[in-house]
Amino acid sequence: GAVVSQHPSRVICKSGTSVKIECRSLDFQATTMFWYRQFPKKSLMLMATSNEGSKATYEQGVEKDKFLINHASLTLSTLTVTSAHPEDSSFYICSAEGTGGLETQYFGPGTRLLVL
Amino acid sequence: SQQGEEDPQALSIQEGENATMNCSYKTSINNLQWYRQNSGRGLVHLILIRSNEREKHSGRLRVTLDTSKKSSSLLITASRAADTASYFCATPAGGTSYGKLTFGQGTILTVHP
Repeated sequence: GAVVSQHPSRVICKSGTSVKIECRSLDFQATTMFWYRQFPKKSLMLMATSNEGSKATYEQGVEKDKFLINHASLTLSTLTVTSAHPEDSSFYICSAEGTGGLETQYFGPGTRLLVL
Repeated sequence: SQQGEEDPQALSIQEGENATMNCSYKTSINNLQWYRQNSGRGLVHLILIRSNEREKHSGRLRVTLDTSKKSSSLLITASRAADTASYFCATPAGGTSYGKLTFGQGTILTVHP
């Protein structure tokens, strides 16, 4: 079955640094990927839609300059948390949309970010 | 606005019992999905039910959809300790992309051995 990977799975960084999270579709091409954020014991909140070759579409309230998204190829989208602060600590999950009329997404395993 | 309000927020049962979780949503949908998430892990897709379906089964899972009431339920029969996880319903968030989802608040299920 389709597999989506995320790297790193866990990252700890100092406040003020930038962190890049990768989302890869391993055995299929994904023209569209999605980035979600999840706080502990909470639901997933859609942050943005990442489209290959074009600018990402951000949900209301998500700072595009804070969360930079790049979808440079059909198998890779990256989320960069710029100048991270403790309140950016969260679980970030990506998903990739398969082709061929599938009505499900394939989710990555998530990346836990802790900003000290 | 956030769709997919789920109840109960937490459910604690004994192994062998059935677990029922409910989800309500606000707007018209063409499908509804249920996902499972083990603590600190990614999501596992469980089942998708389309708007023209009323009930769907997959193994020990039974999902119902009532579009008139804008609600869905997930029933896990003969629960096992390994079913302990959070369960989320998800509906399409609109737009042309079928993969863009709005998630419910989730139900934390604990199955005691």
